Amino acid sequence: TQLLEQSPQFLSIQEGENLTVYCNSSSVFSSLQWYRQEPGEGPVLLVTVVTGGEVKKLKRLTFQFGDARKDSSLHITAAQPGDTGLYLCAGTRGGTYKYIFGTGTRLKVLA
Amino acid sequence: NAGVMQNPRHLVRRRGQEARLRCSPMKGHSHVYWYRQLPEEGLKFMVYLQKENIIDESGMPKERFSAEFPKEGPSILRIQQVVRGDSAAYFCASSPPPDPGELFFGEGSRLTVL
Repeated sequence: TQLLEQSPQFLSIQEGENLTVYCNSSSVFSSLQWYRQEPGEGPVLLVTVVTGGEVKKLKRLTFQFGDARKDSSLHITAAQPGDTGLYLCAGTRGGTYKYIFGTGTRLKVLA
Repeated sequence: NAGVMQNPRHLVRRRGQEARLRCSPMKGHSHVYWYRQLPEEGLKFMVYLQKENIIDESGMPKERFSAEFPKEGPSILRIQQVVRGDSAAYFCASSPPPDPGELFFGEGSRLTVL
């Protein structure tokens, strides 16, 4: 059973386009994080959201946590080739510190 | 400040042999996580440890797999009698006290079972 489903699984776009990646669950999460992973490396944290409805911006990236804390989205404006990578959402539930990762979205931005 | 160090980066084993993967967390970090990743997939939780304690091992297979985080030295993920299905990248992450927040990942250990 996969608690965090990400969509789309793969995405290939041209430089300058906008895109949105989704992370969905039927369960409520205490916190949700987004990571980016490049080939041959470990994931690197982009953002953490903890409050339902919370929106955070990181340059061209906008992250939103759903009101019910069951879903999240990542929006990239004017994508660049440097944004290429595997985007992973990860969440914790209840009072635990077990970080569960999503299925991942592999993004490729073409120059 | 060195990051999370994993070794070996690449390990080749024949079926039935043992694999030992090591993880040295960042200085001052007391929480260690192990994850497994297959090609083109996300990370699957295996185990969460603090110094000398296994906090959550719900993702560890019941047989052949074990993990430890001793008072001194690195965390070890041990796989006994490896099978081809164990071939994967194994990532370690650490987090500072008091409670885990951001996970800092190592570069992973890639196990290939022949």
